[in-house]
Parts: sequence; C-alpha cells; structure tokens
Amino acid sequence: AQSVTQLDSHVSVSEGTPVLLRCNYSSSYSPSLFWYVQHPNKGLQLLLKYTSAATLVKGINGFEAEFKKSETSFHLTKPSAHMSDAAEYFCVVRYSSASKIIFGSGTRLSIRP
Amino acid sequence: DGGITQSPKYLFRKEGQNVTLSCEQNLNHDAMYWYRQDPGQGLRLIYYSQIVNDFQKGDIAEGYSVSREKKESFPLTVTSAQKNPTAFYLCASSIQSGTSGRVHNEQFFGPGTRLTVL
Repeated sequence: AQSVTQLDSHVSVSEGTPVLLRCNYSSSYSPSLFWYVQHPNKGLQLLLKYTSAATLVKGINGFEAEFKKSETSFHLTKPSAHMSDAAEYFCVVRYSSASKIIFGSGTRLSIRP
Repeated sequence: DGGITQSPKYLFRKEGQNVTLSCEQNLNHDAMYWYRQDPGQGLRLIYYSQIVNDFQKGDIAEGYSVSREKKESFPLTVTSAQKNPTAFYLCASSIQSGTSGRVHNEQFFGPGTRLTVL
C-alpha cells in the first residue's frame, strides 16, 4: 500500500541548532514529494517540493530536503533553527499512478530559547 | 491577489443542524479538495473534485456532501449525520488532479474553518 511515514511526532531543538525532520515513503516508480508547514490555526504553506529535477531541493525560510531513492526518504533539514520555525510540518507524497495525495501524520517542531 | 479563501473562520453549530463551509479560489485551478484535521493528527480527505460538476468521495465522506457548480467554488456541507463534526476543515486546490503523467503540482491551502458543535 502507498504510504508516508513521519518518524517523529515531536522534535525539540535549541534556537541556532540544526533541524532534522524525517520522512519515509513507500516505494514507487515516480513519486512527487512535498513538505508543508502549518502554524497554529492556519492553513498549510508549501516549503518545498521534489519533482525529479534535482535530489537536493531548497525551499523557503532556509529549509532544504534531500530525496534518497535507495532509502525511500525525504528528510527536511535546516542548518540553524529560529524561534519562528516552531510549527507543525507535514510530509506529503503524490504518486503518478493515482490522483490521491497522501499526508504524513505530522511532526511538531518546538524551538527552545 | 490570487489565492484560496475559506469562510467563516470560526463556526458554531448545534447538534442536528446542517452547516455549509465556503471555499473559493481565483487561481483558475481545476482540482479542489476538502480535508478534516483533528488535534494532533494529519489531514484526512473528505471529498475532492477534478472538474466542474464532478466530485469523488475521499476517505471519510460519510456525513458530508459537496457540490461543484462553478470552477472557483467548492462548498462543503456538514450534515447532521456526521457524528463527530468538531474539527478544523481545510480546503485546497491544485492545477491538475494527477490522473496521468508526472504530477508534481502542489496544493494551495486556504486558512481553514474551525467548526465546533455545541
């Protein structure tokens, strides 16, 4: 079955330290992968997307993600966390074989001062 | 400004009442979606529409209904048959539904409507 797994429900880091949010997806010939951010009581905003042009994808607010086919992973990283990064992050997969979009369960990122 | 809007932002309903949540987009997108989000959980698909006058059930369609009479509008009705309607509802749209070829068009989300049943 097609699926996406966010390995951590909650991640807490200190301000200024690196951020790593993990995402794995079930294997597919040609997935499209996305990371979204959601601040409290707001809609989702696209951070970045993988569309096979390059395996390292740069997004907004200093975030980036690397597509690793051998590991079926699409982890989200940021070199230095900022207080404003505190939010919920969703990894999303879209398979070319279906119109359905699959959301991960989300990772809540907390930033310690 | 192009975008997707939802109204109202907060909605209160008495048990047994139907309510309709509005979703409008001026992005000229073909596909529109309704999701439900419960505390601490991801998004679950209620209904989606790939084209005007057509829509399909998502994973949790029971107790909900939709219409797609215009390209820019996709209202969601939460009926009295929905047993636990209190949730945050998100509407989204995208350029294409992804039924053929490479599909990497992202979804654009509205700000959401928080529905509370009293």
